[in-house]
Amino acid sequence: ILNVEQSPQSLHVQEGDSTNFTCSFPSSNFYALHWYRWETAKSPEALFVMTLNGDEKKKGRISATLNTKEGYSYLYIKGSQPEDSATYLCAFLDYTGGNQFYFGTGTSLTVIP
Amino acid sequence: DAGVTQSPTHLIKTRGQQVTLRCSPISGHKSVSWYQQVLGQGPQFIFQYYEKEERGRGNFPDRFSARQFPNYSSELNVNALLLGDSALYLCASSWTGQGHYNEQFFGPGTRLTVL
Repeated sequence: ILNVEQSPQSLHVQEGDSTNFTCSFPSSNFYALHWYRWETAKSPEALFVMTLNGDEKKKGRISATLNTKEGYSYLYIKGSQPEDSATYLCAFLDYTGGNQFYFGTGTSLTVIP
Repeated sequence: DAGVTQSPTHLIKTRGQQVTLRCSPISGHKSVSWYQQVLGQGPQFIFQYYEKEERGRGNFPDRFSARQFPNYSSELNVNALLLGDSALYLCASSWTGQGHYNEQFFGPGTRLTVL
């Protein structure tokens, strides 16, 4: 069983603040890392698929970076809005053990208007 | 296009009973994965199916089984239910279920409560 850790566990920020959180994963046999946003009462929604060391992906005010050599990925939100309130999950794809995803426990973000 | 659908939405069972959860993938997707999510944890991988074959299995007991049908829909069965099986069960579909760009699309989940 692979260990994928996310920090912090929860975060409260004021509207307009920028924020970031971390996903840590095994640095060996890296294949891919996915980020998801999960709003209450909805389905998890894919944000980014990260595959190469040094990858930087951006979608609107949200961006992500990837460091496979040291085993971490950062998710950044610029100018947080109340609609950004959600749980953000990362998932490490283990291709060696049979093509399964290992999810972190998530970072719960609350943006206060 | 319809997204991933799951049924039922909620389910209440008692210990020892059996349950069947259903999932219909996005049209054109051939791979379905099942996850269990308990409060405070991330989703835990149970199974992946592709073209009706089991491609991956997580660390779950044999009480958990699944299958995929020719139309790529899938069922997850859990026998001899335990209180600890109470969770949200998520289904995710993808085009092929392999490769870097194995982007998964999740359904709304089935909330199972075992009393």
